[in-house]
Amino acid sequence: GAGVSQSPSNKVTEKGKDVELRCDPISGHTALYWYRQSLGQGLEFLIYFQGNSAPDKSGLPSDRFSAERTGGSVSTLTIQRTQQEDSAVYLCASSPIPGQPQHFGDGTRLSIL
Amino acid sequence: GQQVMQIPQYQHVQEGEDFTTYCNSSTTLSNIQWYKQRPGGHPVFLIQLVKSGEVKKQKRLTFQFGEAKKNSSLHITATQTTDVGTYFCAGRGENFNKFYFGSGTKLNVKP
Repeated sequence: GAGVSQSPSNKVTEKGKDVELRCDPISGHTALYWYRQSLGQGLEFLIYFQGNSAPDKSGLPSDRFSAERTGGSVSTLTIQRTQQEDSAVYLCASSPIPGQPQHFGDGTRLSIL
Repeated sequence: GQQVMQIPQYQHVQEGEDFTTYCNSSTTLSNIQWYKQRPGGHPVFLIQLVKSGEVKKQKRLTFQFGEAKKNSSLHITATQTTDVGTYFCAGRGENFNKFYFGSGTKLNVKP
């Protein structure tokens, strides 16, 4: 497809488990963003990738969160030792160049039991 | 740190009434974007404002960027039920490439 693809769409896991969320951006988009959206809330910035530059990790809430972007394309967001407060929808967005309109995926709804 | 505040949090209107949501930043923005998120959906880009004092229109929607580039508004004239959703502003700082999203205004339109 031509849009941003995220997987899985839903993930339910037990507290303390690790989870990995995947984002496949639009081909050719150099900028990739991860956001977290709690129920009924706004979007919380997590991390930003631009090409081969060092990512801006300033939004990651704790050292349990990490993200990679391989080959300037697919990105994975990993949450280690999940906590109940990690439950949210994790949204990925990409844009052709930084500052341009962001195209969002459908998100991964993460539920921690 | 940089923040973008958005009000109101909720707005309930009768179909045909007007609607406005406002965003304010603690610091000057290089640009601001507006997104709409339908219930159960993901944010969809509406428009981007870059210039000081800029005004853009999309049919019944009017977007403004303040002279100081610290505030912005979205005004919808004569709302329709298809306007239902949450409207977010997203401000980009002058020295950074990341965006700070407002908390959103959830619009409900009664037919």
